[in-house]
Amino acid sequence: QKEVEQDPGPLSVPEGAIVSLNCTYSNSAFQYFMWYRQYSRKGPELLMYTYSSGNKEDGRFTAQVDKSSKYISLFIRDSQPSDSATYLCAGAGSYQLTFGKGTKLSVIP
Amino acid sequence: GAVVSQHPSRVICKSGTSVKIECRSLDFQATTMFWYRQFPKQSLMLMATSNEGSKATYEQGVEKDKFLINHASLTLSTLTVTSAHPEDSSFYICSAPIAQGVGYEQYFGPGTRLTVT
Repeated sequence: QKEVEQDPGPLSVPEGAIVSLNCTYSNSAFQYFMWYRQYSRKGPELLMYTYSSGNKEDGRFTAQVDKSSKYISLFIRDSQPSDSATYLCAGAGSYQLTFGKGTKLSVIP
Repeated sequence: GAVVSQHPSRVICKSGTSVKIECRSLDFQATTMFWYRQFPKQSLMLMATSNEGSKATYEQGVEKDKFLINHASLTLSTLTVTSAHPEDSSFYICSAPIAQGVGYEQYFGPGTRLTVT
């Protein structure tokens, strides 16, 4: 079992929809989590950083962590075509990140 | 957010030659940086951890004599792919951490696409 599991998709939604992206992890040593957005042929861009169970909101993005069930989520409200990208979740206990495989999202105008 | 740059963004080289890729933290210092490679439609694979003032640590299966890492200063790490072969063609990305709360926010460079012919 991989340490971070993420459905690769692809996921296709209409513009304006709420998108839910999810990951599960197995390593109890993970203390903090991140979500990245990666456009094709570009480096990953940090979207959200969280380290406690609960919700964290930033604009249209909400990150949710449930440490008891080892489940992390990213919600995107009012999705836009510019949100079309691959979304990577990651967990870490110290410096080193462990990534999920990434979910490819397409937002259709 | 913090900015990490990479140079070059794209390089094509002939088989057997060496290529150097630079990673710079532009507005913060980084005693540690990370080097990843990414194949098409796959996630990032950590290659090595670059440490300022000491030797890099490599992940299992990564040849340290082939992928030379030098962390020359608190804002610069370089990755040299020596005697490159077509199978080394990939997307190479670096990252640098900034302490935040209980952990570190990791900021990634824009990546370097290496093509070996």
